[in-house]
Amino acid sequence: GEDVEQSLFLSVREGDSSVINCTYTDSSSTYLYWYKQEPGAGLQLLTYIFSNMDMKQDQRLTVLLNKKDKHLSLRIADTQTGDSAIYFCAERPTTSGTYKYIFGTGTRLKVLA
Amino acid sequence: EADIYQTPRYLVIGTGKKITLECSQTMGHDKMYWYQQDPGMELHLIHYSYGVNSTEKGDLSSESTVSRIRTEHFPLTLESARPSHTSQYLCASSESLGRTANTGELFFGEGSRLTVL
Repeated sequence: GEDVEQSLFLSVREGDSSVINCTYTDSSSTYLYWYKQEPGAGLQLLTYIFSNMDMKQDQRLTVLLNKKDKHLSLRIADTQTGDSAIYFCAERPTTSGTYKYIFGTGTRLKVLA
Repeated sequence: EADIYQTPRYLVIGTGKKITLECSQTMGHDKMYWYQQDPGMELHLIHYSYGVNSTEKGDLSSESTVSRIRTEHFPLTLESARPSHTSQYLCASSESLGRTANTGELFFGEGSRLTVL
């Protein structure tokens, strides 16, 4: 089935690292994405990784991709209170012949001061 | 910053009313989408469009309808709103992969929060 799974909640202390995990289903996905949603707003792309990469680093963000296990993770270094939000991973399978994206259930990150 | 706009941001209406949620994008994207978001966060695709005069139903059955007469405009209509339609509705757009050097990123509007009493 088309299920992208994430844990629902994560709580960390300010200054610590946060790791948000995601398991996706379709190995044909060319790109995998991490989106951030702040309260009352739409989703914004945080970062993405191309399927032939294992890791991508972008300032405080590190994305790790394990294609064998279909596992994607997002690490936020030095987590700040402004990072409190819901984080969605998403894949865009290419085998389906459509342009539909599959989103995870979202992980609500709470950063404690 | 994404150039995709939704109106109204908030709407409270009575049961039985007809409503239209507007979505416009100025990026020339051919693909547009409507998602319904549960209070528990999960996103459900309810409609999508590959281009002008092309619309398809999404994975979650919805009593709403959409139209795509112009590339930039993708309105969603509920003919007779009910309390079960209370939700956040998110519009998004993307460009086709391969059309330019892009990653197929989805650009989202700020959302329309609908409450039906």
